[in-house]
Amino acid sequence: AQSVTQPDIHITVSEGASLELRCNYSYGATPYLFWYVQSPGQGLQLLLKYFSGDTLVQGIKGFEAEFKRSQSSFNLRKPSVHWSDAAEYFCAVGARDTGRRALTFGSGTRLQVQP
Amino acid sequence: DVKVTQSSRYLVKRTGEKVFLECVQDMDHENMFWYRQDPGLGLRLIYFSYDVKMKEKGDIPEGYSVSREKKERFSLILESASTNQTSMYLCASQSGGPFSYEQYFGPGTRLTVT
Repeated sequence: AQSVTQPDIHITVSEGASLELRCNYSYGATPYLFWYVQSPGQGLQLLLKYFSGDTLVQGIKGFEAEFKRSQSSFNLRKPSVHWSDAAEYFCAVGARDTGRRALTFGSGTRLQVQP
Repeated sequence: DVKVTQSSRYLVKRTGEKVFLECVQDMDHENMFWYRQDPGLGLRLIYFSYDVKMKEKGDIPEGYSVSREKKERFSLILESASTNQTSMYLCASQSGGPFSYEQYFGPGTRLTVT
């Protein structure tokens, strides 16, 4: 079964600084990969997804993520963080070769942005 | 845009009560899911459905049941609510297409069982 690890529970960055949120997955083949964001009191919104092809994926709100097969990672990046990016971020993996359509989520990283 | 709505944003129930959480999606999606979200645990899958009247257990189905009588509606039922079911409940929908794995989420229902 697949699994996802987000090693950082809580990260604090200054507004305007760059951001990288880490995600490592465990899966026997190339998975489908996703990043979601959850603002306080809200549901999850899809930021970006990787299915195949170019390993650098662009998403909404200026986010990007890079799939690195050798490291089993799918880290989320943003060059300059805005105060409105404060939220919780979830990495998720889908198993493309099992027919199981449910996603497996990491435990989340809470981002705090300092002025 | 896909819209997923949940019947309540906040709900307070007493131990032993039967609780219904409802979810409706407007995109004609085949697949629907119920998760619970707890701090430090991320999202855990309770039940999912690939079609009307079909359901499958997820990773933590104990104490829950589901109903899907219409394609657009997926209900989560707590037969006898307990305090350890206090949590945020999230519903999601997903197209049944072969390359459509992304899920679309509702705003969540924060359930408190006292």
